[in-house]
Amino acid sequence: GDSVTQMEGPVTLSEEAFLTINCTYTATGYPSLFWYVQYPGEGLQLLLKATKADDKGSNKGFEATYRKETTSFHLEKGSVQVSDSAVYFCAPTNTGNQFYFGTGTSLTVIP
Amino acid sequence: GAGVSQSPSNKVTEKGKDVELRCDPISGHTALYWYRQSLGQGLEFLIYFQGNSAPDKSGLPSDRFSAERTGGSVSTLTIQRTQQEDSAVYLCASSSGLAGGQETQYFGPGTRLLVL
Repeated sequence: GDSVTQMEGPVTLSEEAFLTINCTYTATGYPSLFWYVQYPGEGLQLLLKATKADDKGSNKGFEATYRKETTSFHLEKGSVQVSDSAVYFCAPTNTGNQFYFGTGTSLTVIP
Repeated sequence: GAGVSQSPSNKVTEKGKDVELRCDPISGHTALYWYRQSLGQGLEFLIYFQGNSAPDKSGLPSDRFSAERTGGSVSTLTIQRTQQEDSAVYLCASSSGLAGGQETQYFGPGTRLLVL
């Protein structure tokens, strides 16, 4: 069945550092790819998404490119801020009746 | 507009009791999802509704768990004879249903369940 492997945390970075959180997946068919974020004390919310190969999703300075050949959707940000401290979840989403999220990567950005 | 709401926000119960968790999706969303998030863990998928129908219930952890959805709107997750390992945050999400499940999911704030 479908599955997702996400880089384990926790990750601690200094402000303005470069961030990469790796995500790879296995899926039949052609999933849409999502990154969700959970800020401290808040609910899960969409960060960005991509629906077809080579599409780049972007939001709040974060980017991720749909790489079908490597079945990956790595999250990147060039310069993190303290306000980016959160838990990030990768979620390849296929048509069907079951839905998979990565285990989550906790990011802490220190000033 | 109103987002996904869940009630109660917190529930403390004794082992062996039954609990009901409620989810009100965004108006017009036909797809509804239940997940469980245990402390320090990722999201565990429980069940998905398209309209009132849940085609696959295999994600429910045991036969003590059941879920229903009526009128294509409100959903209830019921846990019978609760156990301490059921303690977790139960999240509900909804989506438009227009792309067969490949849409953005909108999450509620969750119900934090503690079984003593």
